[in-house]
Amino acid sequence: EAGVAQSPRYKIIEKRQSVAFWCNPISGHATLYWYQQILGQGPKLLIQFQNNGVVDDSQLPKDRFSAERLKGVDSTLKIQPAKLEDSAVYLCASSFRPVGRQGSSYEQYFGPGTRLTVT
Amino acid sequence: AQSVSQHNHHVILSEAASLELGCNYSYGGTVNLFWYVQYPGQHLQLLLKYFSGDPLVKGIKGFEAEFIKSKFSFNLRKPSVQWSDTAEYFCAVILLGRNYGQNFVFGPGTRLSVLP
Repeated sequence: EAGVAQSPRYKIIEKRQSVAFWCNPISGHATLYWYQQILGQGPKLLIQFQNNGVVDDSQLPKDRFSAERLKGVDSTLKIQPAKLEDSAVYLCASSFRPVGRQGSSYEQYFGPGTRLTVT
Repeated sequence: AQSVSQHNHHVILSEAASLELGCNYSYGGTVNLFWYVQYPGQHLQLLLKYFSGDPLVKGIKGFEAEFIKSKFSFNLRKPSVQWSDTAEYFCAVILLGRNYGQNFVFGPGTRLSVLP
């Protein structure tokens, strides 16, 4: 089966500019996650969708970051305006159902990520 | 706030050496535990997971991990590493409970270098 697709793979922008990332999850996966991975750190969950609804966005900096999954399939993550500290790899992942539910054994599948450099 | 720590930033081993990577989490409730691996230039992929039952979990490529609830630990082991195990390893925890979202908390990662 096709994996999680992300684009672009690399992006370089100047601070205060805006940027958008796109994610296409595995077909049939209802749950979609966006993570930020800063160099030398583990991924940090930014937002989790269940179909087109937000389950958890507690760690999303909402003053500059936004995300949507309008039709419950593809998703976009936007940063406006970007700051130097936003330089990171942005990972998208999907799972058939939310991982961690009691009795479930679903697995997250990760995409290749988008490497963002803010200068 | 909940956190996941990994004992070593960088581990260097020779082929055939035994491996143990430490992982500890700070949360007293019910957890699900994972180890992910990222080979150079590749996606993050799941090595193994613990949801319930036998605390000794076997994963892919000969890896195993043991959940010790009293120590809040989930250490990863492999009896004999190969050069192809060179990668970054991440421990992750998902916290289950009414007051928490279903969010993953990842550790900072341990880079493993295996010398041929």
